[in-house]
Amino acid sequence: GESVGLHLPTLSVQEGDNSIINCAYSNSASDYFIWYKQESGKGPQFIIDIRSNMDKRQGQRVTVLLNKTVKHLSLQIAATQPGDSAVYFCAENGSNDYKLSFGAGTTVTVRA
Amino acid sequence: NAGVTQTPKFQVLKTGQSMTLQCAQDMNHNSMYWYRQDPGMGLRLIYYSASEGTTDKGEVPNGYNVSRLNKREFSLRLESAAPSQTSVYFCASSEVRTGEQYFGPGTRLTVT
Repeated sequence: GESVGLHLPTLSVQEGDNSIINCAYSNSASDYFIWYKQESGKGPQFIIDIRSNMDKRQGQRVTVLLNKTVKHLSLQIAATQPGDSAVYFCAENGSNDYKLSFGAGTTVTVRA
Repeated sequence: NAGVTQTPKFQVLKTGQSMTLQCAQDMNHNSMYWYRQDPGMGLRLIYYSASEGTTDKGEVPNGYNVSRLNKREFSLRLESAAPSQTSVYFCASSEVRTGEQYFGPGTRLTVT
């Protein structure tokens, strides 16, 4: 079965609000985590990544938080914009393994 | 710099037909991957190539074969297509084992 999963399949957010997308993983040996954004009809695009020796990493308008104790990952998007409407996937990479395991994705819809 | 390119973009096959999906990357990456994406699901790894000259099975390899033609190109072959192989196929590449994977635009395959 899947080792990575997202808590909610859909998220509706008011434009300008902050979004929080959650992800749980089960492989305690995973040492690398990554968030992707996929727009309709396109391939996944990298948003941000984090390694297991960190608990927080910030990018432009995005922050990833990693809680290894409860095996939880979250993506925060500040001041959500219409262009943020997409499916968001978390993925994890176990140690000594080339493979990324993807969750099922959360569809984010931004309301004007 | 085109990144990861895939051909064809769309394909319709009859059950039992064969075809090869082509993928090329111009980023000089060592590792390449083939995923399939079905509605409402995350990406599942079919095969990967950690480096030129090597290939390994992923999560769902049955019914597929791959060839790492050179460092740039990684093809996926369906020898006898089945309706269960109707999906969107993505190729990806990465520089190192635990690092960002760059995705192509995808091939939408329908098997009737």
